[in-house]
Amino acid sequence: QTVVTQEPSFSVSPGETVTLTCGLSSGSVSTSHYPSWHQQTPGQAPRTLIYNTRTHSSGVPDRLSGSILGNKAALTITGAQADDESHYYCVLYMGSGLWVFGAGTKLTVL
Amino acid sequence: QITLKESGRTLVKPTQTLTLTCSVSGFSLNTSGAGVGWVRQPPGKALEWLGVIYWDDHQRNRPSLGTRLTITRDTSKNEVVLRMTNMDVVDTGTYYCVRIRDLLHFDNWGQGTAVTVSS
Repeated sequence: QTVVTQEPSFSVSPGETVTLTCGLSSGSVSTSHYPSWHQQTPGQAPRTLIYNTRTHSSGVPDRLSGSILGNKAALTITGAQADDESHYYCVLYMGSGLWVFGAGTKLTVL
Repeated sequence: QITLKESGRTLVKPTQTLTLTCSVSGFSLNTSGAGVGWVRQPPGKALEWLGVIYWDDHQRNRPSLGTRLTITRDTSKNEVVLRMTNMDVVDTGTYYCVRIRDLLHFDNWGQGTAVTVSS
């Protein structure tokens, strides 16, 4: 069974840059997995940040960016702010109308 | 403005069937490439993709759910309906519907509805 891997947690200081990654238990992530990233704060619905590897969803600032780094998808947050403190989930398209979410990364800004 | 809103009974007993409705506005369920997916989140846990229905009525489900899950749509009402049979306590969680654009991309999310499975 395919597992999508994410760092369980990450800490960043305000103003610094952090890169969260999204990998596969077996194989490499590519643009053909159409990776997307979703932010969720406690008690709230998820919000789409990035889709199709690097396309910004409406209203998402440019200081967030998506890419493929090596064999993983990546979400880079430049100039971290307090309200970036959230859970971040990636989801990969596995073909034939099937998607798999990662377990999420809890980002702390301190 | 695109919106999605889930509704339905929030407390079901084990073995019962869960029925949730996703009411959408701001986009057409008939647009080529459009879809509505369902995602759930057990308390304190990660998001889980459940299934999707597309503009052409094609449906795909999470394999582990087998035939328990059925997703249908009513374009006249702009609604997508999730039915999950034989509910168990492990199915407890918040259920979200999400707009899929261009076949492949998650976009707008509903606010979610919390479902509890308990006798």
